[in-house]
Amino acid sequence: DAGVIQSPRHEVTEMGQEVTLRCKPISGHDYLFWYRQTMMRGLELLIYFNNNVPIDDSGMPEDRFSAKMPNASFSTLKIQPSEPRDSAVYFCASTWGRIATNEKLFFGSGTQLSVL
Amino acid sequence: DQQVKQNSPSLSVQEGRISILNCDYTNSMFDYFLWYKKYPAEGPTFLISISSIKDKNEDGRFTVFLNKSAKHLSLHIVPSQPGDSAVYFCAASARGGADGLTFGKGTHLIIQP
Repeated sequence: DAGVIQSPRHEVTEMGQEVTLRCKPISGHDYLFWYRQTMMRGLELLIYFNNNVPIDDSGMPEDRFSAKMPNASFSTLKIQPSEPRDSAVYFCASTWGRIATNEKLFFGSGTQLSVL
Repeated sequence: DQQVKQNSPSLSVQEGRISILNCDYTNSMFDYFLWYKKYPAEGPTFLISISSIKDKNEDGRFTVFLNKSAKHLSLHIVPSQPGDSAVYFCAASARGGADGLTFGKGTHLIIQP
């Protein structure tokens, strides 16, 4: 299995531009999570999906952030417009079964986002 | 409000010695705890976990201890090896909760030769 695949690995953009991050979860996994890592706050949960349906987006910082999961093998996280404070590493993770019984997450390699 | 706290941003240990990484939590609903290891330019990978019904779980060189009354857990690595140099994240969840894992900020472990 190729694991969770994220693209791009690095993204450099200018303030105000739209940014789209992509994720392909592990086949068969029915939960997908988006996390953001910063020095100040560590790993923060932004949003998660179960069977392609958004379950909890309370971690999404602002309306500038949106996430979709059109099918079981693809998800996007979009920032529009982007701001310098959005600079961080964004991780996608997936797992299977109920979260209550399987808390082990499988992470992608992340997207390093720099907003200038 | 950090519910999972790792108060040491970094830790330096000599090769062959014991590494002890600490983690405190505030949410009494947490009953399952995990440690993840992260190398540069890679995503975190699962290392070891412990349920609140236990106070110790061991896997090879890695042992996690849980002190529920103190809301404290620790990860022991014995003996420490150069490949253990990484960032270690403590994470917690409340069984039955459906909001994923709550992570600490991480501790950067450096194993010195």
